[in-house]
Formats: sequence, C-alpha cells, structure tokens
Amino acid sequence: AQKVTQAQTEISVVEKEDVTLDCVYETRDTTYYLFWYKQPPSGELVFLIRRNSFDEQNEISGRYSWNFQKSTSSFNFTITASQVVDSAVYFCALSETYTGNQFYFGTGTSLTVIP
Amino acid sequence: DVKVTQSSRYLVKRTGEKVFLECVQDMDHENMFWYRQDPGLGLRLIYFSYDVKMKEKGDIPEGYSVSREKKERFSLILESASTNQTSMYLCASGGQGRSGANVLTFGAGSRLTVL
Repeated sequence: AQKVTQAQTEISVVEKEDVTLDCVYETRDTTYYLFWYKQPPSGELVFLIRRNSFDEQNEISGRYSWNFQKSTSSFNFTITASQVVDSAVYFCALSETYTGNQFYFGTGTSLTVIP
Repeated sequence: DVKVTQSSRYLVKRTGEKVFLECVQDMDHENMFWYRQDPGLGLRLIYFSYDVKMKEKGDIPEGYSVSREKKERFSLILESASTNQTSMYLCASGGQGRSGANVLTFGAGSRLTVL
C-alpha cells in the first residue's frame, strides 16, 4: 500500500496564481516526520520543510506555506503568487520511527508555471 | 558547496554488463541511501546504509547490491544490467543515527540507459 499519495500528477498554473499541492499519508506510528522536497529540472532534490507529528502548526516561509492536518492525514503545500522558477517536481515524504530510518516518497507532482 | 557527488551523470551500458554507480558525501553522515526514480512511480528505495559495512534492503533490492567500505562512499552495483534497470538513480545522505528526523541531501542523479 502506498504510504504517501500525491494524487495530482501534473498541474499547470499561470504566473501569479496560487497553487496547492496535496499530500496524503498513511501510518500507524504515533511519531513520524513529513517532508517536502523540490526537484527542479537540474535533477537534484532540494529539501523544503520537515514537520514532526506532534507539531500541527501551519508554517509559512515567504510565498510557501504548509498545512498539516493529522485528522485527515494530510500535509498540503501552497505556493502563493507562483513564479516561473517554481516549476519543478515536488515530492512529499514520510519517515516513521518504527521502520527505523526509511523514508517513503510520494510519486511527485509536476508543477508548470506558465509566464 | 557540493555535498553529495554522484560520479556519473549519464551512463549507457549494454545488457549483461556490470555497472558501478558511485556516491560520495562530505558531510560526515552515517546514513546513505540509493533510490531509483521512474515516471509515475516516484522514488523507490533500493538499499540504505546506516554505518560503514552495514546495509539494509529497501523496497526493490532485486538485481542490485551495494558497498560501503568508507563512511563517505556508498556504491550501487548492478551485477548484470538489464533493460528494466534503465532509470534515474539518486543517492542521498542524511544525518547520524537511525532517526526519521534526518533531512536527506541528494546528489544530482545518474541517468542509466541499458541497451
């Protein structure tokens, strides 16, 4: 069973629009971590954010914000006023305490921002 | 500021050849990982290592082996390459100890084509 589901395979938006990337996870662990990574066309995944399961506060970093809701097992990522440089593949990931350092990635969402 | 280096960006090999993919990190991390990335499948863990000479199978270890003789180097070996191993291979390293909180740093990837 897929532990991390990113249902949106591809999204296209026009520059300056807001866009939300969905991430739904599945775990039976009480202590876990959620991540978002960005993979630009160059290929190297870049870390964006990490949240632990005990911290449900939403986070904002510039144009990026994250909404963590344990009740719906979701960790969604919103880009406000999108820019062409945001075009990339975005991966959501989960790590669980009991699996001892395995990281489970979603299938990724490819975002294209059209100028 | 290079932190995780993968020796080859692009490789073309023939079926049956032995293939070595090398990965070196300069962050003194204990944990290193090899993932395979395929369209629609996201990142799938092949092997990981949490210490020198230690290794654990990930989700898709069949057809692969690994070597970790030194802390900074983690090699992925395809004993007899097959066409279904044509893929993008990503190396990552992340932190000390078996903690799910570790943030992974990725290399730029090695795109392997097996003819």
